[in-house]
Amino acid sequence: QKEVEQDPGPLSVPEGAIVSLNCTYSNSAFQYFMWYRQYSRKGPELLMYTYSSGNKEDGRFTAQVDKSSKYISLFIRDSQPSDSATYLCAMRGPNDYKLSFGAGTTVTVRA
Amino acid sequence: DGGITQSPKYLFRKEGQNVTLSCEQNLNHDAMYWYRQDPGQGLRLIYYSQIVNDFQKGDIAEGYSVSREKKESFPLTVTSAQKNPTAFYLCAVGTGAYNEQFFGPGTRLTVL
Repeated sequence: QKEVEQDPGPLSVPEGAIVSLNCTYSNSAFQYFMWYRQYSRKGPELLMYTYSSGNKEDGRFTAQVDKSSKYISLFIRDSQPSDSATYLCAMRGPNDYKLSFGAGTTVTVRA
Repeated sequence: DGGITQSPKYLFRKEGQNVTLSCEQNLNHDAMYWYRQDPGQGLRLIYYSQIVNDFQKGDIAEGYSVSREKKESFPLTVTSAQKNPTAFYLCAVGTGAYNEQFFGPGTRLTVL
């Protein structure tokens, strides 16, 4: 079993829809959670990061963490064609230097 | 212009050759990382360095080597011992309480 599981999709939605992405993990020590966006043939860019449980909102993006269920989510409101990319979740424990990544979910927003 | 640079963008290697991928940063961060990305898989850590002249193996270090002689530079050598080197290679720097990692543009290596 992988340490971080992420449905690869692909996910296709119409412009303006809400995109819902999620990851599950097995390591209960994970406390720091991140979401990255990666356009084709580019390096990932950090979108959001959260600590422990709870919600965090930044513009059209909302990140949620449910540590009791070992489940994290990213919601994109009012999706735009420019949101079409692969979204990677990443996480680490308090004493880890490395991040554990999900495989990424490919999202297409149709105009 | 600040940030992380990787060169070359595309690299072709013949069987049995060693090649070196460059990663340079001017963000003054101590931590640097090398990842490998294959289609349908998450990023896998090859090596990381928390400080100059020190580095540690990641999950898939076999067939790779690194050096960290300067804070700004963390080159990765893909040796002939790496059996399946065709992949997208990403360099990152880490900072902050979350150890947020910021990535360079990547190098796509293809073995001919």
